[in-house]
Amino acid sequence: QVQLVESGGGVVQPGRSLRLSCEASGFTFKDYAVHWVRQAPGKGLEWVAVISGDGTYKYAADSATGRFTISRDDSKNTVYLQVTRLTSEDTAVYYCARDRGSYSSFADYWGQGTLVTVSS
Amino acid sequence: AIQLTQSPSSLAASVGDRVTITCRASQGFSFALAWYQQKPGKPPKVLIYDVSTLATGVPSRFSGGGSGADFTLTISGLQPDDFATYYCQHYKNYPYSFGQGTKLEIK
Repeated sequence: QVQLVESGGGVVQPGRSLRLSCEASGFTFKDYAVHWVRQAPGKGLEWVAVISGDGTYKYAADSATGRFTISRDDSKNTVYLQVTRLTSEDTAVYYCARDRGSYSSFADYWGQGTLVTVSS
Repeated sequence: AIQLTQSPSSLAASVGDRVTITCRASQGFSFALAWYQQKPGKPPKVLIYDVSTLATGVPSRFSGGGSGADFTLTISGLQPDDFATYYCQHYKNYPYSFGQGTKLEIK
């Protein structure tokens, strides 16, 4: 069955960087785009970034431009989200989600999320 | 960037009711809209994609529709399991975005 497991969250100081991982299983990884979506405590969903199945196309939301980098390693069935210059506004649960296809549209399977808390 | 506004932000209804949630886009588009259901502490679950296509395993009491800038999610015959928060999302162009959510509560 399709599974996505996020890791790398935790408490991090403002101004520092963090790399989140999303390990996938149960499907042919290279055939699917993968998204990152975050949710601040008690708030709504915010789309963050996507990478295509072949890794050639990447996009990050305006609010994240320059601070968020998405990448993938097909040998490890893993997608990464690098976040730099963290602020308290980055405190959220970060979900990775599989797209329905190789190039992005909507997400059909989601991980359970990893919590990032930015605090001194 | 396309902005999505959902209405209402919250809604109280009873088991068996028919409810409709609206998602209004800041500019019109076709096809590229999905609806998700989220329960506390859980990830979202896709219900509807491409405006009106029911996702696998989703009960037929859920339906989606609309065109242009106005889209709807209708639940016909609310069940206890349906009380949750619902989000629309567009994937027309980048950046994708979600509506602010509609919390459906038991009356």
